[in-house]
Amino acid sequence: IQLTQSPSSLSASVGDRVTITCRASQGVGSYLAWYQQKPGKAPNLLIYAASTLQSGVPSRFSGSGSGTDFTLTISSLQSDDFATYYCHQLNNYPPGTFGQGTKVEIK
Amino acid sequence: EVQLVESGGGLVQPGGSLRLSCDASGFTFSSYSMSWVRQTPGKGLEWVSYISSSSDARHYADFVKGRFTVSRDNAKNSLYLQMNSLGAEDTAMYYCARSSFYFGSYYFDYWGQGTLITVSS
Repeated sequence: IQLTQSPSSLSASVGDRVTITCRASQGVGSYLAWYQQKPGKAPNLLIYAASTLQSGVPSRFSGSGSGTDFTLTISSLQSDDFATYYCHQLNNYPPGTFGQGTKVEIK
Repeated sequence: EVQLVESGGGLVQPGGSLRLSCDASGFTFSSYSMSWVRQTPGKGLEWVSYISSSSDARHYADFVKGRFTVSRDNAKNSLYLQMNSLGAEDTAMYYCARSSFYFGSYYFDYWGQGTLITVSS
C-alpha cells in the first residue's frame, strides 16, 4: 500500500489554518496515524486511528478520513508547529507504510 | 516518564555486523510489542522489524529478512537488533518504538532518539 501526501511542502504564517492530505493506494480503514518530526528529533505521534488525538497533543491538531483519503488539520498554526508531518498506515501492519512527509515552513 | 534509549550505532564496513540496543524505562516493558524503524533522506521512514511482548511473534521487512534479527530481554527492559551483511543501503538513523494497541492496530506512541548507522569502506 502506497501513501501519497500532499503537498510535499508548504509555507504558512502563524495563525493560519493548515491542511495536509494523505491518500492511500488502497483502503486502509481507519488504521492511520500522523506524526510530527522536528529536525534532529524522532517522530512524535499526534493522531492515531485516523482521528484520535494522542494524549498531550494540543487540540489545534485534528485528523479525519477513512478508507483511502485522510486529512491532518492544524486549526491555528503556532511557531512550535513548523516541522515535517508524516502519515502512517497500519492496515497491513506489519509492515505498514509511511507517507513521504510534508514540510511546514514559515512564510 | 517513558524513555527509550538506543545505542550501538556507528561506522561499519560493507558486509559487517552491528548490534543495536534499546533500553526502555518508565513503563512495563514486558507488556508492549516493540518495533524498529529506520529513516534516510532518500527513502524516508521505513518499518524494519516487530517483536511481540513475549517474543512469540517476530516480523521483518523484506529488505532485511535473513540479515537482521530482532530480540528482547524483558528482564533487562531491553530490545535488540542484530544486523548482519550490512550494505550501503542500510545506512540510516535507526529508531526503536513502542507499539501500543489501539482500536484494532498497533501505533508507535513512543520513539527513542535514534542511533545512526553508516555503512561505508
